[in-house]
Amino acid sequence: QVQLQESGPGLVKPSGTLSLTCAVSGGSISSSNWWSWVRQPPGKGLEWIGEIYHSGSTNYNPSLKSRVTISVDKSKNQFSLKLSSVTAADTAVYYCAVAANLYNWFDPWGQGTLVTVSS
Amino acid sequence: EIVLTQSPATLSLSPGERATLSCRASQSVSSYLAWYQQKPGQAPRLLIYDASNRATGIPARFSGSGSGTDFTLTISSLEPEDFAVYYCQQRSNWPRMYTFGQGTKLEIK
Repeated sequence: QVQLQESGPGLVKPSGTLSLTCAVSGGSISSSNWWSWVRQPPGKGLEWIGEIYHSGSTNYNPSLKSRVTISVDKSKNQFSLKLSSVTAADTAVYYCAVAANLYNWFDPWGQGTLVTVSS
Repeated sequence: EIVLTQSPATLSLSPGERATLSCRASQSVSSYLAWYQQKPGQAPRLLIYDASNRATGIPARFSGSGSGTDFTLTISSLEPEDFAVYYCQQRSNWPRMYTFGQGTKLEIK
């Protein structure tokens, strides 16, 4: 069973860039899966950020597309998120999750990591 | 963008009672709808996929139904551990993206 683990700074300054990594274990990032990032502001609902396939093909939430970059590092079996020009509204728990190709749901998810945007 | 609307926002019930949660899509999603359970401080857990299929390890008291635009998650007899927030989710193909409902909080009455 694939396991996911997020890592990265827990505090980012306004106007800076949020950078997170999701390490994949128990399986290969080159398998037939789409690897996603989802976030959840404190006390609020879930928002899909974007996804990547091992080939490098990406899809992004149109509402965040101009600020998001998702990349994959096959040598390290991990994928990453960069979100630029952050504001306090980007404060959230960030989850990585996986959807098997041709499937429409996420399973499993990482445990999540809280990122706070503050000076 | 397909919008998912969940109702009610909060549902207050007692253990042993039956819970019925609704998710309505702004346009047809066929049967491509999933349900998740989220407890405080935890990641969401997949319960139901493709509207009516229970994920691995999910108890039989959880069931999903519906197609098109109207979907229901039913918990036949509530256990204490079932009190949590529930989200529905769909994936659209053009553009390819995922959306979630705003969630239903199931609380102990």
